[in-house]
Amino acid sequence: NAGVTQTPKFQVLKTGQSMTLQCAQDMNHEYMSWYRQDPGMGLRLIHYSVGAGITDQGEVPNGYNVSRSTTEDFPLRLLSAAPSQTSVYFCASSYKLNTEAFFGQGTRLTVV
Amino acid sequence: QQQVKQSPQSLIVQKGGIPIINCAYENTAFDYFPWYQQFPGKGPALLIAIRPDVSEKKEGRFTISFNKSAKQFSLHIMDSQPGDSATYFCAARGRSGSRLTFGEGTQLTVNP
Repeated sequence: NAGVTQTPKFQVLKTGQSMTLQCAQDMNHEYMSWYRQDPGMGLRLIHYSVGAGITDQGEVPNGYNVSRSTTEDFPLRLLSAAPSQTSVYFCASSYKLNTEAFFGQGTRLTVV
Repeated sequence: QQQVKQSPQSLIVQKGGIPIINCAYENTAFDYFPWYQQFPGKGPALLIAIRPDVSEKKEGRFTISFNKSAKQFSLHIMDSQPGDSATYFCAARGRSGSRLTFGEGTQLTVNP
């Protein structure tokens, strides 16, 4: 059972480049979310989805897009990377919105 | 606006000591308070959680103390071990359908 799988683990981008962070879960969870982790700021919610075809904004959505075409996948897109988006990104999933959240191992993104 | 405040930011104890990490919240609608443990290079994992109808919950060497009137909760680690060295996050969530709000995190080091 793989759980929540994130790719890539590390990425370096130049300012203005775009990329997609991949997230997949094999637990048939309805709820998926993306967080960014920055020193001294905890985890902040970027976007979340309560099911296929449904997404909504979290606390810090600017500069990021998401889609949820299948239950399993929830990719995060950076349209035009900025140095302020240098962070560690975590994808999480849970069976329902109010049940235990399982996190992936993270993607460390550096924007130069 | 940080709705969950966590302290201290870092903590160093000797093996066998009892580190205590504190969190305070503002939103009285929160009714679920989990703690997450994160090892370097890994995603956060649920450690223990409490609801406000009890004042204390123990799971092994980990204890949550909850003070509803003060809007504070804390994590105690009994007989701490070097393997407990990790970053700990408190979090809070409102009634069904709301999202987790995380504290800033505490980096715990347990020296041998």
